[in-house]
Parts: sequence; structure tokens; C-alpha cells
Amino acid sequence: EAGVAQSPRYKIIEKRQSVAFWCNPISGHATLYWYQQILGQGPKLLIQFQNNGVVDDSQLPKDRFSAERLKGVDSTLKIQPAKLEDSAVYLCASSLGTRESQPQHFGDGTRLSIL
Amino acid sequence: QKEVEQDPGPLSVPEGAIVSLNCTYSNSAFQYFMWYRQYSRKGPELLMYTYSSGNKEDGRFTAQVDKSSKYISLFIRDSQPSDSATYLCAMSASGQNFVFGPGTRLSVLP
Repeated sequence: EAGVAQSPRYKIIEKRQSVAFWCNPISGHATLYWYQQILGQGPKLLIQFQNNGVVDDSQLPKDRFSAERLKGVDSTLKIQPAKLEDSAVYLCASSLGTRESQPQHFGDGTRLSIL
Repeated sequence: QKEVEQDPGPLSVPEGAIVSLNCTYSNSAFQYFMWYRQYSRKGPELLMYTYSSGNKEDGRFTAQVDKSSKYISLFIRDSQPSDSATYLCAMSASGQNFVFGPGTRLSVLP
């Protein structure tokens, strides 16, 4: 089966600019996650979707970050305006459902550098 | 105190060695435990999943959970250079999302 697809792989922008990331989950996976992974740290959950509804966005900095999952398949994550501390890898993951026993499959991420 | 802690390493071992990777945690409600392997510039890949306490073996990998000590381990037997990666533990309580540790970087030297 095809894995989780993410684009772009790399992005360099200046602070205060905006940026968007795209994710296509594994076919049939209802649950989609966006994580932020800062260098030397583990992934931190930003937002979780179940189909096209938000399940958990408690750690999403809503003043600058937004995400949507139209039609319950693809998803985009946007940052506007970007800050220096947003430099990180943004990982998308998907799973069949929300149960803890269902493993999350990760994409290779988008590496964001803020100048 | 962080919710999940791991020795960041780097941990360097010779090929063929037995590797022990460990995580400690503070939340006694955690009962689902996962180990992920992450190669450089790649996404995490699930290695092992365990529920509650006990051991689970899969090939050269053994996952061990000691809930009384709030301590989990991943053992790698006959380590190979291809095992060189960052290993992340992740854990959750029922109905909660997973919390990841910071990862341990492992180098297996030929």
C-alpha cells in the first residue's frame, strides 16, 4: 500500500511570511494527525482529524496555525505569519481509527526553516 | 519533570552487541506503549506495540514494560549497522493521544 505522502519536502521562508504543507494519508485511513518535531525532540501533536472533523487541536497555536481536511482525505496545515521558533519538521500521520491499538503511519515530513 | 524521558545518547555500540534503550514516565495512567525507529530525514516507523505490562518479542527486538516502575525498554539483539537510527518511545492513556519521548540516537559500528 502507498504510504503517507507529504509535500513539499523542504521549505525555506523568512519570518512573518506564510507557508502551507500538504498531506495525503493512506487510503481508507479515517484519522489524520499533524505533528511538529523540533530538532532533538520527539513529535508533538498539533491537531487530530477524524474524517473531516477536528478531534483534538488543544496544542495548535491557533493565532498563527490553521489546518483543514476537506472531504475527509487530504489535509493542509498553514502557518501565517511564521516565527523563528516554527523551524521544525512537520510530520503527517494517519491511522485506521482513533483507538490506541491502531498504529499511526508517518510520512517523511516537511522540513521548514525560518530565516 | 517531563512526562516521558529518554537518554538522548548518542549511544555507540559495535556490530553484534545487545542494545538496551529505555524510557521512564510519570503518568501512571499510561497503558499503551510503542517504539518507533526514525532514520535521518525520514518519518518515524512503528517497531513494537505493547499493552500494559509484560514482554513482547519480534525477531531481534524485545519490548518490555514495567508499569510498577514506570519504565519501558527496547532490546535489540545482534545489532546491525542498519539499526543506526533514533529510537522514540511513545505512550498513552486510554482515550488519550500518544506522548512521545525525545528519542535516543543509536550508532552501530561495523
